[in-house]
Amino acid sequence: KQEVTQIPAALSVPEGENLVLNCSFTDSAIYNLQWFRQDPGKGLTSLLLIQSSQREQTSGRLNASLDKSSGRSTLYIAASQPGDSATYLCAVGGYNDMRFGAGTRLTVKP
Amino acid sequence: NAGVTQTPKFRVLKTGQSMTLLCAQDMNHEYMYWYRQDPGMGLRLIHYSVGEGTTAKGEVPDGYNVSRLKKQNFLLGLESAAPSQTSVYFCASYQPSTDTQYFGPGTRLTVL
Repeated sequence: KQEVTQIPAALSVPEGENLVLNCSFTDSAIYNLQWFRQDPGKGLTSLLLIQSSQREQTSGRLNASLDKSSGRSTLYIAASQPGDSATYLCAVGGYNDMRFGAGTRLTVKP
Repeated sequence: NAGVTQTPKFRVLKTGQSMTLLCAQDMNHEYMYWYRQDPGMGLRLIHYSVGEGTTAKGEVPDGYNVSRLKKQNFLLGLESAAPSQTSVYFCASYQPSTDTQYFGPGTRLTVL
């Protein structure tokens, strides 16, 4: 059974700092890996999708990497802003077996 | 284009009562999902559907039933609610061409 872990559970940084969020998974035979953002009281919004054959994806200030052999993914956020404050979740799997981590709650202080 | 909507947003039930949560999507997606999210845990898949008239069990299906009578709607039913079903429930629809799930805003359910 695939297990997905995100450490730390919470992170607070000053505005402008570059930061890295971590995601680890136990089974390297993944279909894809996604990073989502969840704002309080809201649903999830997909940020980045990395296919199994890919190593990284970039969107604006966000860069996600995937290392299947070590069972790890990182989400790099450059020049953080208060508007980046949210919970970030990673998920691995396909259309019928996606497994989510518990998320990292990020606070970016002005 | 409303995306994925969920009804109701909040609900309080007593143990043993029944209720149905409604999910609707206007994106013509074939795949739809019901998840639950509990504190300190990731989302867990309850049931899903790959098309009108089809349903399948996910990771935590016990105590729930679903129906997909129309392509745009996916219903989640609790026949006899238990306190362990207190959770936030999310519906999602899926677009294979982009491999992306689109989530609704969630329903917060409390079972007393």
